[in-house]
Amino acid sequence: DTGVSQNPRHKITKRGQNVTFRCDPISEHNRLYWYRQTLGQGPEFLTYFQNEAQLEKSRLLSDRFSAERPKGSFSTLEIQRTEQGDSAMYLCASSSSPGTGHNEQFFGPGTRLTVL
Amino acid sequence: AQSVSQHNHHVILSEAASLELGCNYSYGGTVNLFWYVQYPGQHLQLLLKYFSGDPLVKGIKGFEAEFIKSKFSFNLRKPSVQWSDTAEYFCAVNPGPSGSARQLTFGSGTQLTVLP
Repeated sequence: DTGVSQNPRHKITKRGQNVTFRCDPISEHNRLYWYRQTLGQGPEFLTYFQNEAQLEKSRLLSDRFSAERPKGSFSTLEIQRTEQGDSAMYLCASSSSPGTGHNEQFFGPGTRLTVL
Repeated sequence: AQSVSQHNHHVILSEAASLELGCNYSYGGTVNLFWYVQYPGQHLQLLLKYFSGDPLVKGIKGFEAEFIKSKFSFNLRKPSVQWSDTAEYFCAVNPGPSGSARQLTFGSGTQLTVLP
C-alpha cells in the first residue's frame, strides 16, 4: 500500500496523559500536513512541514501540541497533558512539491483520540 | 481569514435523482478548489479539483463541479445518484497559484444519504 498511513488508528487515554501519533506520508511527497476533525465538522489545519522544516502552525496548535518530522519522512504529533477537548480524529495528509504544479493532498485514515 | 460554507448539512435523495451540493468560499484572490468524499469507514478521497482553466471540472464516478468566480461558488453536481454515493462530502479551498503549498480550509461537510 503506497498511501498515507497513520498509527495508531485508535487511542484511548486518560486526561493528563501524553499521547503520540505517527504519520508516514507517500514516499515521494515532501510536504506533510496535520489536521484535526471533530464530529460534524470538516478537518481543521494544525501544521505543515516541507521536508523537515515546520513552516506553518495554526493558532489551534496550543503549546501542549508539538509536531516533528526529523528526517523529512515520517512525522509525529505529540499532545501533552491531554484534555477532554482534545478528543477528535487527527488526520495526516501529504503532497508533492509545488514544482509539479499541483498541490492535491492525500489523506491518511486518521487516528481517533478519545480522552476520558 | 478565508472560510468555506456548505449550506446543506444533510441531503437525502432517492436513487437516480440529481444532486447539487452548494459550496461558497470567502477569499478574494486566486484559489484552488477541491471536493473530497468520505465513504463510511474510509478516509478522505479526492473527488475532483480546480486549479485554473475550464471552470467546469469533471471528477471520478460521474461527479462534476462548476467554478463561478463572480459568486465565489464551487457547487458539486451529479445527474443521477446511486446508493453507493452515500457518503460525506467536503468542499475545500486553498489560496494561491497551483504551485503553492498552503493548507486546505474545509467546509463543515454535507452528509448525502441515497435511498435504494
